[in-house]
Amino acid sequence: RKEVEQDPGPFNVPEGATVAFNCTYSNSASQSFFWYRQDCRKEPKLLMSVYSSGNEDGRFTAQLNRASQYISLLIRDSKLSDSATYLCVVNMAVRFSNDMRFGAGTRLTVKP
Amino acid sequence: GAGVSQSPSNKVTEKGKDVELRCDPISGHTALYWYRQSLGQGLEFLIYFQGNSAPDKSGLPSDRFSAERTGGSVSTLTIQRTQQEDSAVYLCASSRASGKNTGELFFGEGSRLTVL
Repeated sequence: RKEVEQDPGPFNVPEGATVAFNCTYSNSASQSFFWYRQDCRKEPKLLMSVYSSGNEDGRFTAQLNRASQYISLLIRDSKLSDSATYLCVVNMAVRFSNDMRFGAGTRLTVKP
Repeated sequence: GAGVSQSPSNKVTEKGKDVELRCDPISGHTALYWYRQSLGQGLEFLIYFQGNSAPDKSGLPSDRFSAERTGGSVSTLTIQRTQQEDSAVYLCASSRASGKNTGELFFGEGSRLTVL
């Protein structure tokens, strides 16, 4: 089983759609969780952290289910500018305290 | 500049040659990571530096790969006797502090290595 697993997509959605991405992780002792965004041929950038109680940032909602070792990202009212690859990142704190493991990413294309 | 700086941005080399990739992290960031990303793949962890502690080299794929960080700042990743499977984008990231839940890694734009 991969340490951090994501549906690779691609997801092709029209503008205004709601889309959800899922991620599972293997280590139940993982410390913290994040979603990063990576535009084509660019470096990854932090989109949002994921908190146990769930958290929202504008059109983006992240949720964590520790019991199921599952993280989700919901994007409402999709914009063309949301087109990117979304990376699920888990701090597994195995080898060292900030042992950040990346999923392979889910590609999203928002179309007019 | 305020961000993580990497050089060269692109490197084309012949199989068997050595290459050096450089990373200049954000000033004051004590943690520095090297990852590599092959086409269409996720980020593969290579090595982690934290302050003056011994680096975690557990991700280095072979003994042809080595890295050092001088003075707790600039880091160099060296690949000896390059092979075609080494072709990838090598990403450097730094973060503000050690400890749990630091979270945000700041990435450079990467060094794209092509081994012919």
